[in-house]
Amino acid sequence: EAGVVQSPRYKIIEKKQPVAFWCNPISGHNTLYWYRQNLGQGPELLIRYENEEAVDDSQLPKDRFSAERLKGVDSTLKIQPAELGDSAVYLCASSPPAPGDIQYFGAGTRLSVL
Amino acid sequence: AQKITQTQPGMFVQEKEAVTLDCTYDTSDPSYGLFWYKQPSSGEMIFLIYQGSYDQQNATEGRYSLNFQKARKSANLVISASQLGDSAMYFCAMRVFGGTSYGKLTFGQGTILTVHP
Repeated sequence: EAGVVQSPRYKIIEKKQPVAFWCNPISGHNTLYWYRQNLGQGPELLIRYENEEAVDDSQLPKDRFSAERLKGVDSTLKIQPAELGDSAVYLCASSPPAPGDIQYFGAGTRLSVL
Repeated sequence: AQKITQTQPGMFVQEKEAVTLDCTYDTSDPSYGLFWYKQPSSGEMIFLIYQGSYDQQNATEGRYSLNFQKARKSANLVISASQLGDSAMYFCAMRVFGGTSYGKLTFGQGTILTVHP
C-alpha cells in the first residue's frame, strides 16, 4: 500500500514569491492534515480536513496561507507571498475514519525562503 | 490546552542495549491517546506505537514498548536491543478525543537518539 506522497521534496524560493505544496493521502483516508515543522522542533498543526471540509484551520495564517482539498482526496497548501520565517518543513498526514486513528505522515517538503 | 514535555535533548546508547526516552504530558481531557514517532535524517515521520488513556496494559510493538504511568502522566518509550538504524529523532505526541482540539496531534520537542557500535 502506498504511503502519503508529497511533492516537491525541496523548494528554494526568494521572499515575496508564491509557493505551493501537494499531498496525496493514503487511499481510503478521509482525514488529511498539514503540519509545519520548524528546525529543532516538533510539528505544529496548520489545518485539518474531513473529506473536503476544513474543520480546523485555527492555526493557519490566513493572510498568506491557503489550502484546498478538492474532491476530498489530494490537497494543496499555498503560501503567497512567502516570508523568510516560512522556511520550515511542511508535512502532510492522513488518517482513516476510525477511533484512535493513527496519523501517517509523508516525507515532507523542505522550504527555504531566501 | 495540551502539553508534551521531552526533557532529554539527546541520548546515547550502545548497540544491543536498551534505552528509555522520557515523555510527560498534561491534559485535563480524560480521553486521549499517546503516540511515539521516529524521524530519521531523511525527514519522514514514522509511527512507532500508540497507547490509549483507557488501555489497561502497556502497548508493545516488536522492540518498542510504552511504559504508561497514568497517575504520573508519563509515557516513556523503551527500545530494547538497540540497532544502529535506531539513530534518529524521536517525538512523543498526544491527541485528545474531545473538544476543539480533536484530531490535532501535540508534539514534544523531540529527543535525538544516537546508537554507538
